Amino acid sequence: DTEVTQTPKHLVMGMTNKKSLKCEQHMGHRAMYWYKQKAKKPPELMFVYSYEKLSINESVPSRFSPECPNSSLLNLHLHALQPEDSALYLCASSQEWGSGELFFGEGSRLTVL
Amino acid sequence: RKEVEQDPGPFNVPEGATVAFNCTYSNSASQSFFWYRQDCRKEPKLLMSVYSSGNEDGRFTAQLNRASQYISLLIRDSKLSDSATYLCVVNIGSSNTGKLIFGQGTTLQVKP
Repeated sequence: DTEVTQTPKHLVMGMTNKKSLKCEQHMGHRAMYWYKQKAKKPPELMFVYSYEKLSINESVPSRFSPECPNSSLLNLHLHALQPEDSALYLCASSQEWGSGELFFGEGSRLTVL
Repeated sequence: RKEVEQDPGPFNVPEGATVAFNCTYSNSASQSFFWYRQDCRKEPKLLMSVYSSGNEDGRFTAQLNRASQYISLLIRDSKLSDSATYLCVVNIGSSNTGKLIFGQGTTLQVKP
């Protein structure tokens, strides 16, 4: 069982919709991450939060907006997405930023129509 | 050149075989290295860290060659349950910051 919980597991949205993906961990980890994974491709880093501050933004389009309300929660707000944004969005956490032991959630599978 | 490169395979091997995967990285300043395993339609999970002196965990052995900038994973006595994609992960920054970059993964299929 994963200790990183992501909701929803599946999401279908239109290009004009606004939706959010949520991630929660209660392991006391101080770093949280969003990765995007397309079929048969590796996870690609999108954002890193360390101690609730955005530390890395991998030039992600502004239609993806991350938010870290507290040390246990990480959100990804979605607006005006494109069909090519359809992918599995994985949240992960680690003890500290730079630790290689990432704990992943099961992911939110997003389909943009 | 990609930051982290792996042979995608697939590697098809019989049960009991020994199989080895390599991974090369481009940033000589990379500090830490890992192997993750990802089962079909599941999230990646840490398999093992890779230390400079090499390390072993049961049937799995990981090695690092800094001079040639590659890491390897050896699996002995393959089991059906080893079938998965093995992802090489490199921290291309310093030990307490940096970015964890995933290779494209090597698919292993162990056949009875």
